[in-house]
Amino acid sequence: AQSVAQPEDQVNVAEGNPLTVKCTYSVSGNPYLFWYVQYPNRGLQFLLKYITGDNLVKGSYGFEAEFNKSQTSFHLKKPSALVSDSALYFCAVRVGGGGADGLTFGKGTHLIIQP
Amino acid sequence: DAGITQSPRHKVTETGTPVTLRCHQTENHRYMYWYRQDPGHGLRLIHYSYGVKDTDKGEVSDGYSVSRSKTEDFLLTLESATSSQTSVYFCAIRPVLGYNEQFFGPGTRLTVL
Repeated sequence: AQSVAQPEDQVNVAEGNPLTVKCTYSVSGNPYLFWYVQYPNRGLQFLLKYITGDNLVKGSYGFEAEFNKSQTSFHLKKPSALVSDSALYFCAVRVGGGGADGLTFGKGTHLIIQP
Repeated sequence: DAGITQSPRHKVTETGTPVTLRCHQTENHRYMYWYRQDPGHGLRLIHYSYGVKDTDKGEVSDGYSVSRSKTEDFLLTLESATSSQTSVYFCAIRPVLGYNEQFFGPGTRLTVL
């Protein structure tokens, strides 16, 4: 069975400061890892993914994430937070390879950027 | 929005009634998924489909059934709705070639009284 842990229900950051949203995972096999963002009363928007290759992946809106195999982590980062980054963030995983398998999501982290 | 629509967008129903939610896509994607979102649980996979008439169960499939008679439509049915099925339901697609991420529809908010 695979699982994702997002240890923080909420992260508060001042505008302009760097932000980190934490994610750790457990999967049998090579992981495919994803970050999604959800704004109030909206669907999920894809931010970025790690499939293979460079451990640092860059995505939409200036976000990036670092894959760390030894720590089984995939933390989301941004060098300078904006108030508009305030939203609910989900980390997700599936076993790598072909096939139709669905994603396993973490419980989500509310990111609040204070002006 | 990846050409995904969900209907209805909001529904209130009573315990014991059948409910069908529809997911419609316009881009002929093979893989389709149904998730539910609940506070404190994130999103959980209910059922998925890997082609017309090819479906499989996800993590929380009890009380739900699905059908896919056409590539573009994936239906989720609650045979006899219960209050524990009050949730927001999301449909997703995953293109086969060149992608590993899924793209989500706008969601359906279902309330079972």
